[in-house]
Amino acid sequence: GAGVSQSPSNKVTEKGKDVELRCDPISGHTALYWYRQSLGQGLEFLIYFQGNSAPDKSGLPSDRFSAERTGGSVSTLTIQRTQQEDSAVYLCASRPDSNEKLFFGSGTQLSVL
Amino acid sequence: SQELEQSPQSLIVQEGKNLTINCTSSKTLYGLYWYKQKYGEGLIFLMMLQKGGEEKSHEKITAKLDEKKQQSSLHITASQPSHAGIYLCGADWTGATNKLIFGTGTLLAVQP
Repeated sequence: GAGVSQSPSNKVTEKGKDVELRCDPISGHTALYWYRQSLGQGLEFLIYFQGNSAPDKSGLPSDRFSAERTGGSVSTLTIQRTQQEDSAVYLCASRPDSNEKLFFGSGTQLSVL
Repeated sequence: SQELEQSPQSLIVQEGKNLTINCTSSKTLYGLYWYKQKYGEGLIFLMMLQKGGEEKSHEKITAKLDEKKQQSSLHITASQPSHAGIYLCGADWTGATNKLIFGTGTLLAVQP
């Protein structure tokens, strides 16, 4: 595709439910990142995939959060047993290789009621 | 992130005034990225700096990286309402896993 695609653009869920957020990076980009942005805040790093290497999961806030990247392309961020504090915009980004600029998706606005 | 500090947190300037936003790292930077985010919109890439002492300009925005590669500044000349938004600096660090971390952001408002 022309850019990084994220779906859904908006997700409203009830506390305790599981959610899956999808990211389709730019074709050929080896690096993929997930960030979280709460209202009025900066970007909080969650997880980073680089090629076939083990992902850097150091930013995941709890074991309710997990992510995978299948075939070096599409990535899914899963949040289990959602809590109200999980409400935020979840942004995905990709880049061709390390030390190049990131291309961001439009984000998924998650609201946990 | 404590690894990357931005200042000020917010800034209100009158149209036509100059302003500077700072981004400071506790470690030597490998690459420094500036992005702008308008409310409800995606992130727009502004500039990338990698060399100590490097300076880049685009229209009325100039970004610099100091010689020690630990501090960057973003300067806007003759600000306009279109410059309003959140400015974010992001960084790669030498020897790190290329985990690109962002600062806390600077909210800029430009009063007509």
